[in-house]
Amino acid sequence: SQQGEEDPQALSIQEGENATMNCSYKTSINNLQWYRQNSGRGLVHLILIRSNEREKHSGRLRVTLDTSKKSSSLLITASRAADTASYFCATLGGYSTLTFGKGTMLLVSP
Amino acid sequence: DVKVTQSSRYLVKRTGEKVFLECVQDMDHENMFWYRQDPGLGLRLIYFSYDVKMKEKGDIPEGYSVSREKKERFSLILESASTNQTSMYLCASRQAGGRKTGELFFGEGSRLTVL
Repeated sequence: SQQGEEDPQALSIQEGENATMNCSYKTSINNLQWYRQNSGRGLVHLILIRSNEREKHSGRLRVTLDTSKKSSSLLITASRAADTASYFCATLGGYSTLTFGKGTMLLVSP
Repeated sequence: DVKVTQSSRYLVKRTGEKVFLECVQDMDHENMFWYRQDPGLGLRLIYFSYDVKMKEKGDIPEGYSVSREKKERFSLILESASTNQTSMYLCASRQAGGRKTGELFFGEGSRLTVL
């Protein structure tokens, strides 16, 4: 069952701009995670935010969580061409398994 | 450096063949997972295992089985491959305490084409 849904499906920006991706989910969560996937490769964990946290930072990444709206956002500041990838949110659900959204494809042009 | 290794990056098989996808992790993780990834559908959980010889069905187990005889190895088996199983298969692992955190470590994926 799909839990998180990312928005937009695709995002195209120039280097140096900020990229914002959103994730909405349906049921209560323990935590929400963001992953990155380069084309044709596996996923890499970026950042985790717990249900009792509102904001978290890691380098150029900023994640917010609004449990009342069941939504999260991932902000990548000062984007680089190397940030081009797909980004997925994932929520911890039943049986402690992670359920992933369909992802946002980010293209950063030089 | 921690690692999840999937045995084959690309496979081409014929309809009806038995297919084995192998996954090995070197992090002493208790939990292991198999997902498939398809365009427009995202990642869907096939099977998972919380310990050796344990297995649980995920969201789409039909047509698949798994084997976990050793802690480090989790195999996905397609008993009789069909064209609708053409997909990217992703293996992941997690430490047992990760049930609370949930962070997964992924392999590079195995792209299977069934003709």
